Formats: sequence, C-alpha cells, structure tokens
Amino acid sequence: AQKVTQAQTEISVVEKEDVTLDCVYETRDTTYYLFWYKQPPSGELVFLIRRNSFDEQNEISGRYSWNFQKSTSSFNFTITASQVVDSAVYFCALSEALRGSTLGRLYFGRGTQLTVWP
Amino acid sequence: DTGVSQDPRHKITKRGQNVTFRCDPISEHNRLYWYRQTLGQGPEFLTYFQNEAQLEKSRLLSDRFSAERPKGSFSTLEIQRTEQGDSAMYLCASSFGDYNEQFFGPGTRLTVL
Repeated sequence: AQKVTQAQTEISVVEKEDVTLDCVYETRDTTYYLFWYKQPPSGELVFLIRRNSFDEQNEISGRYSWNFQKSTSSFNFTITASQVVDSAVYFCALSEALRGSTLGRLYFGRGTQLTVWP
Repeated sequence: DTGVSQDPRHKITKRGQNVTFRCDPISEHNRLYWYRQTLGQGPEFLTYFQNEAQLEKSRLLSDRFSAERPKGSFSTLEIQRTEQGDSAMYLCASSFGDYNEQFFGPGTRLTVL
C-alpha cells in the first residue's frame, strides 16, 4: 500500500489563481516527518518544507502555505497567486521512525504535475 | 555553497555491462541516501549510509546493486550486468542533524540499451 498518496496527477491553472495540492499519508508511527519537494523541468528536487508530527500549526512562507491535519492524515500545500515559475512536479514525502530514529528513508508520493499558464 | 554533486550526469550503456555512479554530499552532512526515479513516479529509496555504515537497504537493491561509502564522504553505486529495467534517474541526497531534511543532487540518468 502506498504510504503517501497524491491523488491529483496533473493540475492546470491560470496565473494568479490559487491552487491546492493534496497529500494523504499512512503511518502507524506516532513520530514522523512530512515534507514537500519541488521538481522543476530541470529535474533537481528542491526541498520546500518539513513538518514534525507533533506540530500541527499551519505554516506560511510567502505565497506558499501548508495545512497539516493529523485527524485526516493530510498535509496539503497551497500556492497563492500562482506564477508561471511555479510550474513543476510537486512531491509529498514521509519519514517514519526507524529503530527510534526518523532519519532514514523518505517515502514519496507519485507527484502532482502543476502547470501554470500565463 | 556547494550542493550535492553526482557524476556522471548521463550514462548510456549496453545490457550486461557494469556501471558505477558517484555522489559527493554536502561537506558537513553525515548521512547519504540513494534513490531511483522512473518517469512519472516519485523517487524510490535504495539505500542509506550514516558516515561509512550502510544502515538500510531496500528490497529494490538486488544482488546486482552495491553501494559503498568507504570513508564516510563520497559514495558509489555500482550496477552489475545491467538490464533494460535499470534505466532510470539515480538520485543521491544528503542530510545532517535531527530532522531528516534531505538535499538532492541533480541525478545520473542511466539508459540501458
């Protein structure tokens, strides 16, 4: 079973629209980390954010915001006033506790291709 | 500020040949990870080192795959007797500290003919 599900395969929006990318995760651990990465057409994965399982506060960074809800096992990502440069594949990822450490593998979703049209 | 580097960036080989990839992590990072990504998929974990110790290996890492990090700095990933199914982007990442924020290199794209 997929530990991280990104149900939206592709999303297209017009510049300045807001867009939300969904991420649902599955874990039995009480301690874990969640991440979002961006993969632009150049191909290199860019780290965007990490959230700790004990911290459900939403976070805002410029036009980006993240909504973490343990009750629904979701960690959604919203881009406000989207721009053409936001076009990329976005991945959600999960890091579980391994032998008491959360420093092991990342489980990635299949990604959401976001296209922002001018 | 030097990021994670990988060499080569592209490799084309014939089925049955051996290939070796190199990853140089960010200098102060003690953990190093290898992933594989195929078209339309997210990265899949292969293996992970803390310093020179290989702490975890995926079932994806068949007997034909071997990874080393001999001095706890750079790492190599070798694939023996390559198969067409090995064609993929091989990604390396590194991290340090308590939060598992992994920073990725540009990847090595392998094509097996």
